[in-house]
Amino acid sequence: AQSVTQLDSHVSVSEGTPVLLRCNYSSSYSPSLFWYVQHPNKGLQLLLKYTSAATLVKGINGFEAEFKKSETSFHLTKPSAHMSDAAEYFCVVTSGASDKIIFGKGTRLHILP
Amino acid sequence: IAGITQAPTSQILAAGRRMTLRCTQDMRHNAMYWYRQDLGLGLRLIHYSNTAGTTGKGEVPDGYSVSRANTDDFPLTLASAVPSQTSVYFCASRMAGGSNYGYTFGSGTRLTVV
Repeated sequence: AQSVTQLDSHVSVSEGTPVLLRCNYSSSYSPSLFWYVQHPNKGLQLLLKYTSAATLVKGINGFEAEFKKSETSFHLTKPSAHMSDAAEYFCVVTSGASDKIIFGKGTRLHILP
Repeated sequence: IAGITQAPTSQILAAGRRMTLRCTQDMRHNAMYWYRQDLGLGLRLIHYSNTAGTTGKGEVPDGYSVSRANTDDFPLTLASAVPSQTSVYFCASRMAGGSNYGYTFGSGTRLTVV
């Protein structure tokens, strides 16, 4: 069975400070993992994905994520937050065995001036 | 068209009325999906289609129906709308047959049932 847990429903950081959005997953098979961003009143946009190649994945807008199998984690990070990063972020897990797609419940990122 | 187009962008609908949300993609993706997004519940899958001519039920299919007559279009129909169907609806597509592929999402339809 697959599942994904985003550990924080809200995260607040000051502009210019690092961002950490946490995601843990459970999968019986080798998973593919994704992060999506949703800005207010917009659709979801793919930030980055892990598909069994390099464990450190770089995405758009300076975000990156590291796949850690031993910790079953895929946390999203950015060295320096920008006001435009304020949005909701979704962690997603899929498995080639079932092709089932599971969304986390989302983390809303607030950027403080 | 580039990507996925959803229509309408928003709608206020009287309870009991029938409504079809439209979704069209031009990427020749074989899999398409309908999600609803509600505060505190995240995205929940309503129906999906792995290829033209086939459909399947997701997590919350009751009160909704879909059809997939061709690759590009995947309309979602509410036969008799109820207030609990007030939500934001997203259509998505991807290449099926491999979990490496991410979704492409439409911009959403905000539906209010009164």
